[in-house]
Amino acid sequence: QVQLQESGPGLVEPSGTLSLTCAVSGDSISSNNWWSWVRQPPGKGLEWIGEIYESGTTNYNPSLKSRVTISVDKSKNQFSLKLTSVTAADTAVYYCARDDWAFDYWGPGILVTVSS
Amino acid sequence: EIVLTQSPATLSLSPGERATLSCRASQSVSSYLAWYQHKPGQAPRLLIYDASNRATGIPARFSGSGSGTDFTLTISGLEPEDFAVYYCQIRSNWPRGYTFGQGTKLEIK
Repeated sequence: QVQLQESGPGLVEPSGTLSLTCAVSGDSISSNNWWSWVRQPPGKGLEWIGEIYESGTTNYNPSLKSRVTISVDKSKNQFSLKLTSVTAADTAVYYCARDDWAFDYWGPGILVTVSS
Repeated sequence: EIVLTQSPATLSLSPGERATLSCRASQSVSSYLAWYQHKPGQAPRLLIYDASNRATGIPARFSGSGSGTDFTLTISGLEPEDFAVYYCQIRSNWPRGYTFGQGTKLEIK
């Protein structure tokens, strides 16, 4: 059974950096899949942030590309998200997901609030 | 950039009825379309991939159809647990990426 679990601070100050990690179990992060981050601001829809392959190859949403970095740690079977220069508009539930040309497994999500 | 437009924004139906949700793309996306069900406080759930293939464990009352720019998710015989928000999503190959529609809220009438 594939499981994903997001972790990281639930509160980030404006202009700071949002950092989250997604731990994967039941599958290897080197299993020929991509791994994605998706977010949902309060009261709004889903937004794809970006993805990473085991090799470290990444693709990002053009609207966030200048502020996003996704990385992978194969030794820990996890991948991470960094979003810089955050504002209140980055307040959202952040999900990680396995990306097999559709997102078939998701983490439960983590609420990150940007506030001082 | 491909834009996905879902309609209606809200659909009010009763249990047992048939739900038809639409997703229109601003340009052809072949069949690279997926549907998700999303309930408050839960992770989204993959229902349909590649326009018409049910994901593992998804009941047969959920079906997807369409290609090109027009896609439909049909739920035949609504169950109480089906009331949720539904999103369509497309993948693009070049550049590689994903776009979600704005969602359709299926509510109990």
